[in-house]
Amino acid sequence: EVQLVESGGGLVQPGGSLRLSCAASGFTFRTYSMHWVRQAAGKGLVWVSHINSDGSSTSYVDSVKGRFTISRDNAKNTLYLQMNSLRVEDTAVYYCARGVNPYYYGMDVWGQGTTVTVSS
Amino acid sequence: QTVVTQEPSLTVSPGGTVTLTCASSTGAVTSGYYPNWFQQKPGQAPRALIYTTSNKHSWTPARFSGSLLGGKAALTLSGVQPEDEADYYCLLYYGGGHLWVFGGGTKVTVL
Repeated sequence: EVQLVESGGGLVQPGGSLRLSCAASGFTFRTYSMHWVRQAAGKGLVWVSHINSDGSSTSYVDSVKGRFTISRDNAKNTLYLQMNSLRVEDTAVYYCARGVNPYYYGMDVWGQGTTVTVSS
Repeated sequence: QTVVTQEPSLTVSPGGTVTLTCASSTGAVTSGYYPNWFQQKPGQAPRALIYTTSNKHSWTPARFSGSLLGGKAALTLSGVQPEDEADYYCLLYYGGGHLWVFGGGTKVTVL
């Protein structure tokens, strides 16, 4: 069964850092690109970041550029999102999603999400 | 800033048909935007329905179909079931900037 499980969310003060993880199983992780998507409470989905299958290419939504870094460890079947200089407006549920091949085709499988709360 | 626009809400009767649309602030949506559609029910993660305009995932019910309609991406639900009541989001790919943008979502009520 294809599965994505996020972890690492929690409560952090503004200006702080957090690293999210997404553990993949049930498929050949190294052959798929991956995405992070977030959703603030009661709001819509926002695409956050993408990484290609070997980690050599990344992209970000403007609001997180320079603060967030997406990465992956194909040996550990794990995707990461390093979040620095966190702001109150980064508060959201963060989902990881598998890219459809080829990468620009979109997303198919999603995790259940991990909650990030930025508050003093 | 690129904006993707969807109808905020639509209501449909059980057994009826409803079409949701997805427009881009940059102009007409074409197949080159590789439109995706997702369904999200309260308290659940999104579930993928359609990719590259009209292709269904293996788990997508036959009553869901995707297309291009009048310069927009469209999702049509035919023979609507009560369990189709949910939020629906479209996703467009902007290759020039190598980024993706979700629409604001459409809340579908089955009444």
